[in-house]
Amino acid sequence: AQTVTQSQPEMSVQEAETVTLSCTYDTSENNYYLFWYKQPPSRQMILVIRQEAYKQQNATENRFSVNFQKAAKSFSLKISDSQLGDTAMYFCAFMTRTGTASKLTFGTGTRLQVTL
Amino acid sequence: DTAVSQTPKYLVTQMGNDKSIKCEQNLGHDTMYWYKQDSKKFLKIMFSYNNKELIINETVPNRFSPKSPDKAHLNLHINSLELGDSAVYFCASSQDPHYEQFFGPGTRLTVL
Repeated sequence: AQTVTQSQPEMSVQEAETVTLSCTYDTSENNYYLFWYKQPPSRQMILVIRQEAYKQQNATENRFSVNFQKAAKSFSLKISDSQLGDTAMYFCAFMTRTGTASKLTFGTGTRLQVTL
Repeated sequence: DTAVSQTPKYLVTQMGNDKSIKCEQNLGHDTMYWYKQDSKKFLKIMFSYNNKELIINETVPNRFSPKSPDKAHLNLHINSLELGDSAVYFCASSQDPHYEQFFGPGTRLTVL
């Protein structure tokens, strides 16, 4: 079974600074997908970034980038130039495929607070 | 607007009652899901349907019965509600199993 670990329950960062959220996972599969989702107080789940395990290049999406270390099974999220609107719960998720469906296994989340 | 929608957004009910949560997606996706987020914010998959066929059932009590009348709808019916069923329930959909899942706004269920 896959497990996803987020070891930082809470983090705080000042506006305009950079913060890194950590995520490790455990799997015996070779082809899989990793995601970071953001859940602001509105509780809507919003996709932040996606990484295919077969791609060595780290994914980037504007101010968001990942550091994907496949051998170490690590998938951290870096947020640059943090903004107040980045305040949210951030969930790391591992995707496996079951037949014609896929299953997301989520970590326990990191609550990020961006302060002035 | 193209999206995944859920009704109702909030549901407060007594123990022992039966309730349903509806989910609809107009994204043309083939696969739909139900997730449960508990009070500690932990998200866990419950069910997945592909083209009205049950694909994933994560050992959810049989008081929970998903129903998919067509591939755009996946409703969740819960019988004999218990206090532990209080949670936020999210519906999601995806076109391809390898691509991202799009989530609905969630339904906060409170069982008194």
